[in-house]
Amino acid sequence: DQQVKQNSPSLSVQEGRISILNCDYTNSMFDYFLWYKKYPAEGPTFLISISSIKDKNEDGRFTVFLNKSAKHLSLHIVPSQPGDSAVYFCAASSYYKLTFGKGTLLTVNP
Amino acid sequence: GAGVSQSPSNKVTEKGKDVELRCDPISGHTALYWYRQSLGQGLEFLIYFQGNSAPDKSGLPSDRFSAERTGGSVSTLTIQRTQQEDSAVYLCASSSAKGTHVDNEQFFGPGTRLTVL
Repeated sequence: DQQVKQNSPSLSVQEGRISILNCDYTNSMFDYFLWYKKYPAEGPTFLISISSIKDKNEDGRFTVFLNKSAKHLSLHIVPSQPGDSAVYFCAASSYYKLTFGKGTLLTVNP
Repeated sequence: GAGVSQSPSNKVTEKGKDVELRCDPISGHTALYWYRQSLGQGLEFLIYFQGNSAPDKSGLPSDRFSAERTGGSVSTLTIQRTQQEDSAVYLCASSSAKGTHVDNEQFFGPGTRLTVL
């Protein structure tokens, strides 16, 4: 049973537009949520995170929104750049364990 | 400063053979994790080491899988009698694990791509 779900395997957007990546979770014990970015042949790298006591965290072009009642979070990238093209993994934390979604491949077209 | 390194980067083996995958965590990081990413799947937790504590092995898929961490640093993941379904990218991560979520941020290595023929 998948506890973290990314229902869109891929997303394509134009450069300069907004990219919105979505993630749903089922386990109410998760108290911290993270987004990782992965390029081919590299390990995932941490992008941005949010605590369950907050509903928004912003870092430059990246903003993560958390809706606890809906068990839903999203990552907004504005404006999108071609270098943002990668696989984005949503992860949820309960103490030291991370549970990952399957990832969404974002392609930003010039 | 060096990041997490893993070796080999690629490993092709025949079904039934044993393989060893190595992970060198970031110096000073006390927590070390192994994950597996099969084709089209997310990262699947395998095992967690923290200092001298007993490891959390709850994610190991079968008794053919084992891992050890010598001297609190380098870790080796061993898969015995490999099967074709073991083919995946095996990722190692480390963290400083000082208690807060920020300190628990995991830094990943590039992974070892294992192909079992």
